[in-house]
Amino acid sequence: AQSVTQLGSHVSVSEGALVLLRCNYSSSVPPYLFWYVQYPNQGLQLLLKYTTGATLVKGINGFEAEFKKSETSFHLTKPSAHMSDAAEYFCAVSLTRSSASKIIFGSGTRLSIRP
Amino acid sequence: GAVVSQHPSWVICKSGTSVKIECRSLDFQATTMFWYRQFPKQSLMLMATSNEGSKATYEQGVEKDKFLINHASLTLSTLTVTSAHPEDSSFYICSARVSGFTDTQYFGPGTRLTVL
Repeated sequence: AQSVTQLGSHVSVSEGALVLLRCNYSSSVPPYLFWYVQYPNQGLQLLLKYTTGATLVKGINGFEAEFKKSETSFHLTKPSAHMSDAAEYFCAVSLTRSSASKIIFGSGTRLSIRP
Repeated sequence: GAVVSQHPSWVICKSGTSVKIECRSLDFQATTMFWYRQFPKQSLMLMATSNEGSKATYEQGVEKDKFLINHASLTLSTLTVTSAHPEDSSFYICSARVSGFTDTQYFGPGTRLTVL
């Protein structure tokens, strides 16, 4: 069964500093991996996803994530944090070979940006 | 890009009443839609998978008679919370999968339900 673990329910960084949000997964099949962002009282917006191919995935708003199979990780990074990055971030995993794959979400990490 | 809407965006109802939430894919067809529930400061929990023209598949622990799901067309799925109680108060989010693509879900903006 698939599962996702996000280390750290809350991360706080200074504006301009590196953002690193950690995500580890378990999957019995090659996974599809996602990062979503949620602003207060809003739905989820896809930041980036990994399906196959290049393991370094670039997303919107300057975020990127690297799929490391040996470490079963898919950490999200951004070189320089901006105040507008403050939000809740969810890592997620889904099956690759189902026509109606479910997405399993991690518990989420709240990112705060200090001025 | 693909847009998913939900209506209403928020609703307040009395205990014992039923509430219907609509999820629409505005510019694409969605054979599969998903309904999630999110409690404050928690993650999204999948409630059910809604397939057009067939019965929904509910996750373990979700009461199908309480949370009625109908997916009558390729662009509309509805979730009806029957005989709502205060513990049903939550943020309900739907997502839609683009037909023919299995790896991308587009999420609606969510519906905030408050049961008094």
